[in-house]
Amino acid sequence: DQQVKQNSPSLSVQEGRISILNCDYTNSMFDYFLWYKKYPAEGPTFLISISSIKDKNEDGRFTVFLNKSAKHLSLHIVPSQPGDSAVYFCAASGWETSGSRLTFGEGTQLTVNP
Amino acid sequence: NAGVTQTPKFRILKIGQSMTLQCAQDMNHNYMYWYRQDPGMGLKLIYYSVGAGITDKGEVPNGYNVSRSTTEDFPLRLELAAPSQTSVYFCASRSRGGQPQHFGDGTRLSIL
Repeated sequence: DQQVKQNSPSLSVQEGRISILNCDYTNSMFDYFLWYKKYPAEGPTFLISISSIKDKNEDGRFTVFLNKSAKHLSLHIVPSQPGDSAVYFCAASGWETSGSRLTFGEGTQLTVNP
Repeated sequence: NAGVTQTPKFRILKIGQSMTLQCAQDMNHNYMYWYRQDPGMGLKLIYYSVGAGITDKGEVPNGYNVSRSTTEDFPLRLELAAPSQTSVYFCASRSRGGQPQHFGDGTRLSIL
């Protein structure tokens, strides 16, 4: 039962353009969502998060949008830079989840071409 | 500030051998987690701990054991290594105050 899904294994964009990464979830008890970035041979690094009481959170070039009715969130990167090339994981947590565990999606490989 | 430190970075085991993957954090975090990541997959939770002396199973605990005798350390033990345990293992920690989890750089384990 895959509760968090990232349906696009890969995405390629040109430098300077917008990158949009998508994530869907099925568990309506999830109330906190995070995006992590992962470079090869490194651990995931926290990027940005959003609580279910909001529908948008912005941090510099990164914005996360949450559509609770559709159980969908997206990460926008504007403008995209070659250094953004990495695997991006969506993750979710619920207040009732024991240990505040995170459930991860499969990841999307973003490639930003110069 | 070291954050979360995992050792070793790489290891090759033979089927049936045992080993311990080490994880240490210096952020005084109460919560610690072990994940495995298989190719093309997301991270799956193996075990977690909400404090010293307390551990609990995650999604995929079979074949693994953990202990948490101190706040800083959370070792993961494989008793009888099997090829299905070939994976990249990540340790993470977070404060009691909430997310996010902070990850180590992983241990790449191959069992042949």
